[in-house]
Amino acid sequence: ETGVTQTPRHLVMGMTNKKSLKCEQHLGHNAMYWYKQSAKKPLELMFVYSLEERVENNSVPSRFSPECPNSSHLFLHLHTLQPEDSALYLCASSPGRGRFYNEQFFGPGTRLTVL
Amino acid sequence: QQQVKQSPQSLIVQKGGISIINCAYENTAFDYFPWYQQFPGKGPALLIAIRPDVSEKKEGRFTISFNKSAKQFSLHIMDSQPGDSATYFCAASKDDYKLSFGAGTTVTVRA
Repeated sequence: ETGVTQTPRHLVMGMTNKKSLKCEQHLGHNAMYWYKQSAKKPLELMFVYSLEERVENNSVPSRFSPECPNSSHLFLHLHTLQPEDSALYLCASSPGRGRFYNEQFFGPGTRLTVL
Repeated sequence: QQQVKQSPQSLIVQKGGISIINCAYENTAFDYFPWYQQFPGKGPALLIAIRPDVSEKKEGRFTISFNKSAKQFSLHIMDSQPGDSATYFCAASKDDYKLSFGAGTTVTVRA
């Protein structure tokens, strides 16, 4: 595997379900991100982790819970979601150091549908 | 409050033509301006980026023009090809981890 991978690619869940999204980066980066992408809207930054420490929590509802066990893996735990949470969830990573520290590389995303 | 405004929302260009996408920003602290290209079913991919110490950067058929005084930057796609049909996002960042994205421009290149 190369770059940034995300699983699953598609997820359908009911409002009472609990599920998790997984992201893995193979680039040796120090920073990882979760974004939400909805149609016709700018990408919304949700969370940022640098060296496994959360450095940004962009007023995201508590039904989204991130976890970063190491610099290569990032999870987004989901519970009691709402239909308006249906979107493409993108993971990204960046070097977190040096001149290109915030050059972000994205995974393919998880298409989430909440019924 | 959207920090980066992108226009147009969509454009259609003939093969071989020039596609131009514009972005404007307010925060003068921004010092990094990337452009991303996204195909359906894929995540955004970094296309080209510029810092405010230069006014233009060219990579192949893609050129960023940067006007610091006007707080504007644009992407020019020269000799547009059908394979360039995608959604393009501009973004801006200051000295932190956050990228502020524009809303995107869908480019369609007609053969």
